[in-house]
Amino acid sequence: SQQGEEDPQALSIQEGENATMNCSYKTSINNLQWYRQNSGRGLVHLILIRSNEREKHSGRLRVTLDTSKKSSSLLITASRAADTASYFCATSANQFYFGTGTSLTVIP
Amino acid sequence: EAQVTQNPRYLITVTGKKLTVTCSQNMNHEYMSWYRQDPGLGLRQIYYSMNVEVTDKGDVPEGYKVSRKEKRNFPLILESPSPNQTSLYFCASGRLLAGGTWPNSGANVLTFGAGSRLTVL
Repeated sequence: SQQGEEDPQALSIQEGENATMNCSYKTSINNLQWYRQNSGRGLVHLILIRSNEREKHSGRLRVTLDTSKKSSSLLITASRAADTASYFCATSANQFYFGTGTSLTVIP
Repeated sequence: EAQVTQNPRYLITVTGKKLTVTCSQNMNHEYMSWYRQDPGLGLRQIYYSMNVEVTDKGDVPEGYKVSRKEKRNFPLILESPSPNQTSLYFCASGRLLAGGTWPNSGANVLTFGAGSRLTVL
């Protein structure tokens, strides 16, 4: 499977702390995207990083990509209770492949 | 408002009773796709469509059918539902940028529907 795998599966932090989630994948990609899912709801796109980029920022989000290690990380700085959600990486070559997600809980 | 609309949002049915989950998008997207989400398994693609009258199997197509007769609609059909099809289903759509193939060209971001929770007894 070309599915990405997020690590850790679950993460619990205090409000204000930074949250880091990792994604590993198996095959060559064109881009990698991160999505967020609030409980039982549809996924919402957060950020896209192309295969020729190494780092990208969007507000409190920072994404890195290491194609040699086939891995990516998502950093959420200064977390808020509203960041509580599941986060998925998605890789695309010919199709989209989603990982199993990291469940983030931010404690107020 | 740009959106993907799925119906029904919740459905309880019995084994063997045909059902259709509708999906409609108002963004003129060429690409549409169905996923199912199960605990511990993430999102798995059922079928996808690159454009009208073009559909392809994803990773878990067994027991499902789709059609793409219009650009905006991509219904998911369960001809004879079984309990193992109990799941949370998501429809998604995306733009196919000019000059490229999905999802290789540019920013092929997916817009998801709110989900349809299906229970087959």
